[in-house]
Amino acid sequence: EVQLLESGGTLVQPGGSLRLSCAASGFTFSLYGMGWVRQAPGKGLEWVAGLSGSGAETNSADFVEGRFSISRDNSKKMLYLQMNSLRAEDTAVYYCAKEGYCSNTSCYAERKHFDSWGQGTLVTVSS
Amino acid sequence: DIQMTQSPSSVSASVGDVVTITCRASRAVSDWLAWYQQKPGQAPKLLIYVASRLQRGVPLRFSGHRSGPDFTLTISGLQPEDVATYYCQQADSFPLTFGGGTKVEI
Repeated sequence: EVQLLESGGTLVQPGGSLRLSCAASGFTFSLYGMGWVRQAPGKGLEWVAGLSGSGAETNSADFVEGRFSISRDNSKKMLYLQMNSLRAEDTAVYYCAKEGYCSNTSCYAERKHFDSWGQGTLVTVSS
Repeated sequence: DIQMTQSPSSVSASVGDVVTITCRASRAVSDWLAWYQQKPGQAPKLLIYVASRLQRGVPLRFSGHRSGPDFTLTISGLQPEDVATYYCQQADSFPLTFGGGTKVEI
């Protein structure tokens, strides 16, 4: 069973930094792309960043503007999101998500679809 | 960036009804579209991938369809456990983008 467990969310002041972590288990971590998706209180889903199974390819949303960096350690089965220069509008629940999908007979490491999600970690940016 | 426009923003229906949600992309995304269900207080769950393919374990009353630029998610026979917010997401290109969500109530 796929499990994703986020940690690191907390209250941080504007301009501060934070690193989120996601511990993965139940699948061959290095074979799958991973991503972070956030949800501001009472709002919709917003993709933040993603990277390939090897970590060689990374992508991020426009609003990141170089402030966030996604990375992974395949030997530890860990995904990270380093967030710098945090703003009030970055306040949200941050979800770690595994890319891929499954038909009735097979699973595919297809990028850009998220077939497993963690429960999220809350980041609050406020003075 | 590709903008995803989802409608309606909310819908109220009765148990057993057919509910249809529509999503349109600001430019062509072929069949690269996914649908997610998010129940209150829970993480999202993948329902449909590649526009019309049912994710493993998802009940057959959920279906997806594409007609030209429009994508639809249909719940055929609404159940109480289907109360949730539904999101479309284009999976064509980065940056990935989601629709604004449709809240389904009974």
